[in-house]
Amino acid sequence: EAGVTQSPTHLIKTRGQQATLRCSPISGHTSVYWYQQALGLGLQFLLWYDEGEERNRGNFPPRFSGRQFPNYSSELNVNALELEDSALYLCASSPYPTENQPQHFGDGTRLSIL
Amino acid sequence: AQKVTQAQTEISVVEKEDVTLDCVYETRDTTYYLFWYKQPPSGELVFLIRRNSFDEQNEISGRYSWNFQKSTSSFNFTITASQVVDSAVYFCALSEANRGSTLGRLYFGRGTQLTVWP
Repeated sequence: EAGVTQSPTHLIKTRGQQATLRCSPISGHTSVYWYQQALGLGLQFLLWYDEGEERNRGNFPPRFSGRQFPNYSSELNVNALELEDSALYLCASSPYPTENQPQHFGDGTRLSIL
Repeated sequence: AQKVTQAQTEISVVEKEDVTLDCVYETRDTTYYLFWYKQPPSGELVFLIRRNSFDEQNEISGRYSWNFQKSTSSFNFTITASQVVDSAVYFCALSEANRGSTLGRLYFGRGTQLTVWP
């Protein structure tokens, strides 16, 4: 069974640009989560999508947004990139409901802002 | 306030030593779930174990064991006879079962970097 897949592996952007990160969940999983792992800040919850709807978001500005497609894959968009957006962005998936289900993570996309 | 605290930032041991990684959590929910994940240098987070708040039985899986104590809000992880391949960052995480703003999110500790030397 294929795990969570993320693309691209690495992404280099400059300040002010926009970045799009992609995630395909494990087959049968309807929930997709996004986390940011920035140096010194640990793993921070960004967004949760289920059945195409945004169910919850963390304490991030609106320039972090995303969507979930009918096939349950997801995109994370970051607009007006800032230097502090440099981080590893991890996507996870789980079946719904969520509290007791482990979230299974992909390898991440490393976003570097120059 | 930090919901999950992993006080040990880095631990170094020599192969075959036992090592315990500490995790202390904080929640007002009566129903919650605790997790341990491993993050090797390649970056992906690998799920190791889930424990719900009503099950205080310790669990053993091969060289891994987990000690859950509600009285001290701790969920510690022990690796017996450590191996070089155990070198990674280990994260403890909490999920709360209420239906409010915490829904869907895992609260992670800052992680413990374990280095096992040959």
